[in-house]
Amino acid sequence: DAKTTQPPSMDCAEGRAANLPCNHSTISGNEYVYWYRQIHSQGPQYIIHGLKNNETNEMASLIITEDRKSSTLILPHATLRDTAVYYCIVRVGSVNTGTASKLTFGTGTRLQVTL
Amino acid sequence: DAGITQSPRYKITETGRQVTLMCHQTWSHSYMFWYRQDLGHGLRLIYYSAAADITDKGEVPDGYVVSRSKTENFPLTLESATRSQTSVYFCASRETGHVDTGELFFGEGSRLTVL
Repeated sequence: DAKTTQPPSMDCAEGRAANLPCNHSTISGNEYVYWYRQIHSQGPQYIIHGLKNNETNEMASLIITEDRKSSTLILPHATLRDTAVYYCIVRVGSVNTGTASKLTFGTGTRLQVTL
Repeated sequence: DAGITQSPRYKITETGRQVTLMCHQTWSHSYMFWYRQDLGHGLRLIYYSAAADITDKGEVPDGYVVSRSKTENFPLTLESATRSQTSVYFCASRETGHVDTGELFFGEGSRLTVL
């Protein structure tokens, strides 16, 4: 799986959009970009994933550059409850194969949302 | 209740003792995983299982043993605990099928301290 690079920490004011960048310059054509977050001491929580196109769900938006070498997770209106560590992960997308099912978590970005 | 549960949530043991961490999921997900998370680090994969009676090593398997006799259970055993195994352990599961979202569902974690 391709490695990812994220800033170690970011701050965001409550109510503002939080834009979390991720570089994955060695990503392969069949690798998906996944985002998870981990709120203090809890298990990680899935947020969103994508391959080429931008994606949006009730939690966030994922913007992937055309060359797929980087992406941005956008929390449109950050709240204090969004304070967490955010992990960007790339993984081969496949069905029912053992090695492709693993996710490799790095150290992520610690997002602090402030009043 | 449906979901993925871990037990015990907290455990203190002594060096050399055998410890088993339990993980139970009610979704009948095929894949199950064990991760460890050390202070200031991301999650590292210990073992994973693609189905009952099928297990494979992850990134840091030394000192751990797993089994999967039933789909819903995936216990992790430390046969002779060491201080370096003090960590928070997360179990996760993933569904498989025609549509592979790749989403992992995590338990709340088991905090293990080895004295």
